[in-house]
Amino acid sequence: SQKIEQNSEALNIQEGKTATLTCNYTNYSPAYLQWYRQDPGRGPVFLLLIRENEKEKRKERLKVTFDTTLKQSLFHITASQPADSATYLCALGQTGANNLFFGTGTRLTVIP
Amino acid sequence: EADIYQTPRYLVIGTGKKITLECSQTMGHDKMYWYQQDPGMELHLIHYSYGVNSTEKGDLSSESTVSRIRTEHFPLTLESARPSHTSQYLCASSEFLWLGGPSSSYNEQFFGPGTRLTVL
Repeated sequence: SQKIEQNSEALNIQEGKTATLTCNYTNYSPAYLQWYRQDPGRGPVFLLLIRENEKEKRKERLKVTFDTTLKQSLFHITASQPADSATYLCALGQTGANNLFFGTGTRLTVIP
Repeated sequence: EADIYQTPRYLVIGTGKKITLECSQTMGHDKMYWYQQDPGMELHLIHYSYGVNSTEKGDLSSESTVSRIRTEHFPLTLESARPSHTSQYLCASSEFLWLGGPSSSYNEQFFGPGTRLTVL
């Protein structure tokens, strides 16, 4: 069965630094990968999508890379702010498929 | 903010009670999902629906049942709640977005705020 691992359960960084979160997967060949943000007591919110034929995607201070050879995606938040503190989830999907497979998430804390 | 709603937000109930968790969306999405999430764990899909009168079981076995009589409504029912059902239940809906060509769709999911269920 597929397995999705996100680098660490918790990551603490200083405000202004770049946060880098990792998503590794096995036994799966996703057509695309998504990143979601989840705040305590709330449902996840979609942030970015990257397809298998794309190496990098950017949106404001967010950057996602996707390496299908390494079976890994990196999620970067530049110039991090305390408001970026949340849990970030990666999710893998196939074109035309109904389901997404989610990782366990990484809890990011940005320290002022 | 997504137009998908869940009630109640919190529920504490005794063992053996029947409960229904409500989920409604106003986006006209055909596809809807129920996930179960425990603290620090990944989301596990327990039910999904392609549209009205369509329901399927997800990857995680669940004693709950669902129904889809209307597009906007996807309630989840537990006939007899047990302490092992204590968890966070998240409802989501989605549409396929076509990026170019029939083989280039992707599935962006919109989540409700969740229901935190505690069974004593």
